[in-house]
Amino acid sequence: KNQVEQSPQSLIILEGKNCTLQCNYTVSPFSNLRWYKQDTGRGPVSLTIMTFSENTKSNGRYTATLDADTKQSSLHITASQLSDSASYICVVSARNYQLIWGAGTKLIIKP
Amino acid sequence: SQTIHQWPATLVQPVGSPLSLECTVEGTSNPNLYWYRQAAGRGLQLLFYSVGIGQISSEVPQNLSASRPQDRQFILSSKKLLLSDSGFYLCAWSVQGSTGELFFGEGSRLTVL
Repeated sequence: KNQVEQSPQSLIILEGKNCTLQCNYTVSPFSNLRWYKQDTGRGPVSLTIMTFSENTKSNGRYTATLDADTKQSSLHITASQLSDSASYICVVSARNYQLIWGAGTKLIIKP
Repeated sequence: SQTIHQWPATLVQPVGSPLSLECTVEGTSNPNLYWYRQAAGRGLQLLFYSVGIGQISSEVPQNLSASRPQDRQFILSSKKLLLSDSGFYLCAWSVQGSTGELFFGEGSRLTVL
């Protein structure tokens, strides 16, 4: 069964600290993996996409990694800011265009 | 540039009343269109998607329906709302034929009382 599991479910860190969010998937055949950021009460916005051949990709303070062998991805946030408070959702696309969504990690940045 | 508009942003409706949520996309032609529902602490649930005018695929059996009367207009409807229909509804679009990015509207918060 195609599944995407994210951990932790929620996370609270102090402003300026780093954090890493995890995404494990069992999706086959794999096409790509995206990380979305969703502010409270808003629609998700794409942060980055990882294809099978990519191991690391950065977007500003966000760095995503992908290990296609272990079927794991992570999203690392450096020097967190208050505006990083949001839910971060991992989505895996199968080659038949099916999207499998994780439940998200709710990140709270405290001053 | 492309934009997506979704309304109303907030809706409070009694059980048994009808529903109509609208979504329009500007700046692109022949997009894939989607309706998702998001429950608290859960992943996005795909309700309907459309690859063209009048072409609707339903993913989850329920008392909701969708229509695409124009290329860039997508409507989510119900004849009689249930309590379980409460949630956050999101409209999205993507480029045809790709496994690419979804672009979401701002969402509609529906509360059924």
